[in-house]
Amino acid sequence: SAVISQKPSRDICQRGTSLTIQCQVDSQVTMMFWYRQQPGQSLTLIATANQGSEATYESGFVIDKFPISRPNLTFSTLTVSNMSPEDSSIYLCSSSGETQYFGPGTRLLVL
Amino acid sequence: AQKVTQAQTEISVVEKEDVTLDCVYETRDTTYYLFWYKQPPSGELVFLIRRNSFDEQNEISGRYSWNFQKSTSSFNFTITASQVVDSAVYFCALNQAAGNKLTFGGGTRVLVKP
Repeated sequence: SAVISQKPSRDICQRGTSLTIQCQVDSQVTMMFWYRQQPGQSLTLIATANQGSEATYESGFVIDKFPISRPNLTFSTLTVSNMSPEDSSIYLCSSSGETQYFGPGTRLLVL
Repeated sequence: AQKVTQAQTEISVVEKEDVTLDCVYETRDTTYYLFWYKQPPSGELVFLIRRNSFDEQNEISGRYSWNFQKSTSSFNFTITASQVVDSAVYFCALNQAAGNKLTFGGGTRVLVKP
């Protein structure tokens, strides 16, 4: 099973600022996924990150708001830009494979 | 389009009772994969089981068991003799091919009281 780490584990940010979340996998994977979980809700896919190409965003998510990098096969970042309180969520990354394993999540609170 | 429905939003039981979580899915694909994840209060998502569409055999792992019925598009999860540590939100999920993105159900919060 893949072991996935995320940094930071939690943060409190001010409205209008940006936060970059890092995701590291202990093995090379083709795709990495970024999910958002708003308070009391289920997980919603933000985008799929492929190495060497631009991320593929789901409906309702745009690159300007959630830019993603995928510099190699074990690492990805998600930036939450120009944050508002509505961005307060848990952000989770996962790796592709027969089974998708998830990182521990980043709890973001925007004031 | 794929869809996963977990009709039960919250279930409360007393310790040692059995609890069954329902999961119904929709997909047009003939090959797909079903998952159950556990999310304890700490927030991480813990993988419990993966089942492919061609394997309808039920599975038991300790106090956990899963019933996959393709005829009714259901993949239900039972916790036998529940314990307080089972208190968590449980998610059922579906993807159309190994490694592809997951579609999650709304989740069922299980509260096990001592």
